[in-house]
This record gives sequence, C-alpha cells and structure tokens, in this order.
Amino acid sequence: DTEVTQTPKHLVMGMTNKKSLKCEQHMGHRAMYWYKQKAKKPPELMFVYSYEKLSINESVPSRFSPECPNSSLLNLHLHALQPEDSALYLCASSQLGAQETQYFGPGTRLLVL
Amino acid sequence: QKEVEQDPGPLSVPEGAIVSLNCTYSNSAFQYFMWYRQYSRKGPELLMYTYSSGNKEDGRFTAQVDKSSKYISLFIRDSQPSDSATYLCATFYSSASKIIFGSGTRLSIRP
Repeated sequence: DTEVTQTPKHLVMGMTNKKSLKCEQHMGHRAMYWYKQKAKKPPELMFVYSYEKLSINESVPSRFSPECPNSSLLNLHLHALQPEDSALYLCASSQLGAQETQYFGPGTRLLVL
Repeated sequence: QKEVEQDPGPLSVPEGAIVSLNCTYSNSAFQYFMWYRQYSRKGPELLMYTYSSGNKEDGRFTAQVDKSSKYISLFIRDSQPSDSATYLCATFYSSASKIIFGSGTRLSIRP
C-alpha cells in the first residue's frame, strides 16, 4: 500500500474560520510533510515531521499550525487565513533514510473567501 | 539562477511520438534526481528516481542523468493520451533535507 490519503478533498472557508486538514499513511513512514501548491507552480515545502516531531518549518505564518498526533497521522490547523492562502495543500510521506522518495496524497483544494 | 530549471511548455505531440523532457540544475552536489507526474487537480506521483549519473528504464519511461553537464532527461516512448499531465523534475538537497522542484512542463498528447 503506497497510498497517502487526505481529507477533505475541497474546503471553502472564511477568513475568521478555523478548520483542519487531515493526512494519513499506513506505509510505516516516519517522515511526513506539508506542501502548498499554487496554480501552475511546483509544490513548496511548508513543514517536515520526523518521528512525530517538527524538524523543519519553512518560515510559515503562524496561522498555519501543524500537528502530528501519531506516526500515521498529520494535521494542518488553519485559522484566520487570507485569500492568498487559497491553494492545493499536499501531504507527503517517506522513509527517514530515503527522504528523496516522497509519496504524495491527492491534496486538499482550499479556497479562502 | 534557479537551482533546477525546466521549460514550462506547453508541449504538444501526436500519439505514438517519443517525448523528451529536460531540466538543468546548478549544484554539482545534487545526487538524487526524480521525475514526478501530476495530473490536473491531483497530487504529484513519483514516476522515476535515479541516483547519480546514468540511465534508468521502466516500461515506456527512461530517466537519464548527465552529471558532467548537469542535465536531467525523461523520455517517454509510444506516448499515449493518458500521458498528458504536468511533469516535474526534482532533486533532493541533502543539506536542507528538501526536494527542489523544477517549474514543471505541461505535456499534451494528441490522439
């Protein structure tokens, strides 16, 4: 099973809302990632978790708050977002010794009004 | 200069043609090279992965790395309409533990 699942598929939220994105993998990977992808652009790394601990934060605004409750789950909590945060949010996972081969989920398409 | 440069296209070829997708990179320390395929409104899918120089073949796909010229290529033989997607070349920057993507090439295979 090389699948990374993400929910929801689509999300529309207002600038005052609080919402969460969820990601799950059952490949035994101990590295998990959040990426943001704008239209016609490549994915941009946001956060990296290694062994359920945050190891990389690419200077992401605090209105994005990641959480890794266990080795299979990764959440991204959203609060007070701006319209420019509208994008496809991708989760990925990999083995820690093979971070060059990351497996991506289908993404959550987020629209902030 | 971007660390990984890729022609964004779009590239349109007839079904059955051989497709050549190319990237260049700037840092000779890069050793891992990947190609991802991304269909519209989907996540990227790891297509090919190579380490250092050389060729790697998988069915209709061949990935090629020439470290002397810092050139990465993906060849698709007998192209099919289902190959229509955006193809992202990428490298792994070990020092920063992050993937560096090219900008992606939009490919369209005409039936």
